[in-house]
Amino acid sequence: GENVEQHPSTLSVQEGDSAVIKCTYSDSASNYFPWYKQELGKRPQLIIDIRSNVGEKKDQRIAVTLNKTAKHFSLHITETQPEDSAVYFCAVHNAGNMLTFGGGTRLMVKP
Amino acid sequence: GAVVSQHPSWVICKSGTSVKIECRSLDFQATTMFWYRQFPKQSLMLMATSNEGSKATYEQGVEKDKFLINHASLTLSTLTVTSAHPEDSSFYICSATGTEKPYEQYFGPGTRLTVT
Repeated sequence: GENVEQHPSTLSVQEGDSAVIKCTYSDSASNYFPWYKQELGKRPQLIIDIRSNVGEKKDQRIAVTLNKTAKHFSLHITETQPEDSAVYFCAVHNAGNMLTFGGGTRLMVKP
Repeated sequence: GAVVSQHPSWVICKSGTSVKIECRSLDFQATTMFWYRQFPKQSLMLMATSNEGSKATYEQGVEKDKFLINHASLTLSTLTVTSAHPEDSSFYICSATGTEKPYEQYFGPGTRLTVT
């Protein structure tokens, strides 16, 4: 089955700095890669996604890049703010319409 | 649009009893619903996938006789944890996909189950 690895597991940045989270996956047939933000005790919220026919996508301070050849994709958050503090999960969509999640990254933005 | 609700939001039950969790798609027809379990400080682990009117497909290691899933309509799926034990205490989250965006899963708010 699909194997998704996410790094780092924790990330601490100063407010205003950038944060980068990386994920690798194993199934070359995977074609949809969403990123979720989860606050404590709440549901995962989709923040950005990318399909395999696109290399990069940006939405204000958030961007995602995809390298299908290398089977990795990354989340970039610029000008981080304290409210960006949360756990971020990458996911990979595969056969059977299922999502496989990475292990999560706890992002802490220090004011 | 694409709202998914779960009920209850939290529940405490005694060891050996059963608990039912409901997952509803409020403004769309959910062709597929998914059930996840999330332990503290861990990722979401898929338990099972269900399509309306058919039996659920369980992930390896998930006991189908312990976690009963019913997807009786296009807007409702239920998860029943039977003979619950303290190790079943977890955050249970459902998600649903519709026909408009079959790749995108819409998550419910989760149910925190505590078994004493």
